[in-house]
Amino acid sequence: EAGVAQSPRYKIIEKRQSVAFWCNPISGHATLYWYQQILGQGPKLLIQFQNNGVVDDSQLPKDRFSAERLKGVDSTLKIQPAKLEDSAVYLCASSPLDRDFYGYTFGSGTRLTVV
Amino acid sequence: AQSVTQLDSQVPVFEEAPVELRCNYSSSVSVYLFWYVQYPNQGLQLLLKYLSGSTLVESINGFEAEFNKSQTSFHLRKPSVHISDTAEYFCAVSEGLTGANNLFFGTGTRLTVIP
Repeated sequence: EAGVAQSPRYKIIEKRQSVAFWCNPISGHATLYWYQQILGQGPKLLIQFQNNGVVDDSQLPKDRFSAERLKGVDSTLKIQPAKLEDSAVYLCASSPLDRDFYGYTFGSGTRLTVV
Repeated sequence: AQSVTQLDSQVPVFEEAPVELRCNYSSSVSVYLFWYVQYPNQGLQLLLKYLSGSTLVESINGFEAEFNKSQTSFHLRKPSVHISDTAEYFCAVSEGLTGANNLFFGTGTRLTVIP
């Protein structure tokens, strides 16, 4: 099966600019996650979708970050305006909801550099 | 609340030597434990997982991890490392087994295998 697709792979922007990331999960996976991985740290959950509804966005800085998952498939994560501390790798992951199977599949990530 | 501690941020080891990457967790309920590996410029890949049953779990490339409930640990070991094992390793914990449950990650351990 095809993996989780993310684009772009790299992005460099100036602070206060806006940026958007795209994620296409594995077909049929109901749950989609966005993680932020700052250099030297483990991934931190930003938002979790189940189908097209938000399950958990408690760690999402809502004053500047937004995410949507239209039709329960693709998802976009937006930052507006970006700050220097947003420099990180943004990882998308998807998972089915079946109880007998567990394991996220991660995309390769988008490396964002804010200058 | 869940948390994961990886005490060693970097572990250098000579090729063919044994290695142990330490992971400790805290949680108020039963947990499920995972090790993910991240090769340079790639996404996270599931290495192995403990869900239930035997406390010793193995991966296809020679790694193993043992769940120790009394010590709240899930250390990763390999008796003889290869150059290709050079990567970042993340320990993660979840309190559930459906796609609706989040993964909480440690800060990672960078394993460097020296020729």
